[in-house]
Amino acid sequence: ETGVTQSPTHLIKTRGQQVTLRCSSQSGHNTVSWYQQALGQGPQFIFQYYREEENGRGNFPPRFSGLQFPNYSSELNVNALELDDSALYLCASSSPRVGGYTFGSGTRLTVV
Amino acid sequence: DQQVKQNSPSLSVQEGRISILNCDYTNSMFDYFLWYKKYPAEGPTFLISISSIKDKNEDGRFTVFLNKSAKHLSLHIVPSQPGDSAVYFCAASAYTGANSKLTFGKGITLSVRP
Repeated sequence: ETGVTQSPTHLIKTRGQQVTLRCSSQSGHNTVSWYQQALGQGPQFIFQYYREEENGRGNFPPRFSGLQFPNYSSELNVNALELDDSALYLCASSSPRVGGYTFGSGTRLTVV
Repeated sequence: DQQVKQNSPSLSVQEGRISILNCDYTNSMFDYFLWYKKYPAEGPTFLISISSIKDKNEDGRFTVFLNKSAKHLSLHIVPSQPGDSAVYFCAASAYTGANSKLTFGKGITLSVRP
């Protein structure tokens, strides 16, 4: 059973650029959630995808968007990057049958 | 407005003693609570959870206590081991479904001294 895999592990982008982060969910999990963890803070819910549709969204602007693919993997896209977007981005997969979240190791995004 | 609060940023405990990590919440709709442990360069790992219909849940060295009237929960680790040194996050959700959104606290850094 493979866990949740995120890529890349680290990324440096310039303010105003766009970024795409990727997540492969754990085998058997059909739901993917994305969280942003700023330095010194707990993870904050961005949004969740279930069966390729957005299934709940946190307090993040529309420039944060996502996709889920038929194999349940997911992407997080952030447009017009701002300095405050620098954070660890965590992906978590889950399944209604199994319950509980499995987190990936995250992507560390630095915006300069 | 922080709905899950972990007011102590750090805790240092001697190996073999008890570690008590506290968490408070403000949202009365929360009915499921979880503790996650996080090592550097790794994602959070689920540790233990408790439903609002219980006041205690135990799993080996880890016990979580819930006081609904005080909106307070605590994680007890006994005996503490050096490998327990990590950041511990308290999280809450408004229903117990696997797809429920989690609201996290800021975390507590636990250091267990040999």
